[in-house]
Amino acid sequence: QSALTQPASVSGSPGQSITISCTGTSSDVGGYNYVSWYQQHPGKAPKLMIYEVSNRPSGVSNRFSGSKSGNTASLTISGLQAEDEADYYCSSYTSSSTWVFGGGTKLTVL
Amino acid sequence: EVQLVESGGGLVQPGGSLRLSCAASGFTFSSYWMHWVRQAPGKGLVWVSRINSDGSSTSYADSVKGRFTISRDNAKNTLYLQMNSLRAEDTAVYYCARDLVAAHDYWGQGTLVTVSS
Repeated sequence: QSALTQPASVSGSPGQSITISCTGTSSDVGGYNYVSWYQQHPGKAPKLMIYEVSNRPSGVSNRFSGSKSGNTASLTISGLQAEDEADYYCSSYTSSSTWVFGGGTKLTVL
Repeated sequence: EVQLVESGGGLVQPGGSLRLSCAASGFTFSSYWMHWVRQAPGKGLVWVSRINSDGSSTSYADSVKGRFTISRDNAKNTLYLQMNSLRAEDTAVYYCARDLVAAHDYWGQGTLVTVSS
C-alpha cells in the first residue's frame, strides 16, 4: 500500500488561509468517506483534527475544515495562528481493510 | 479522561522479539477497535495493525505481516503488539490509538523501539 501524497511543506502568514492536499486512489481516498487529518507538534503524539472527511472532534477549532473531491482530500486552516505551525498528516481507510497515511506536510507560519 | 499508556519498548538485536503493551483507561475498552501506528525517527506516521473490539478480527500492514501479532485482553484493558524477527527498519516510536469511525481519536505518548546490534 503506497502512502498518500501530500506536499512536503506549505506556509502562510498569520490570519491567512492555507490548504493541504492529500491524493490517493479509488481504493482509498476516492472509495471511502473515511479520510482523517492529524496535527503533530515536535515530540508530541498526533492529534485528530478531522474525521470522516469533514467532521471535527469536540474541542477542535472551527478554523479547521476538510473536504474531498474524487481521489483528493483537502484540509483548510483559516485565520492562521502561530500555534498552527506543526506537521499535518492525512489518513484513509483502504479496500484491503487497512489504513494508509500521507507522507506529512510541514506547515510554517511566517 | 481517556488515557493510553504504552510500555515495553527498548533496544533489541536484529532478529529478536519484543512485546509492547498499551494500558487503556477512562473509557469502555472492550467497545472499541484499537490500532498500532509507528513513526521512525524524523519520518512520517505509518499504520501498523488494527484489532476489533472482541479480538476476533485483525489486519496488518504488508511490512509487518507474518512477523507482528496484535492482541488484546479486555479484562485487563490492555492492547498488545508482539513483534518477532525484528529488523533495523522497525526502529520507531510505536503509538497505540483508539478507533473512531475509521480514524484515530486518542493516542498514547508512544514507546521507542530500537533495533540495532
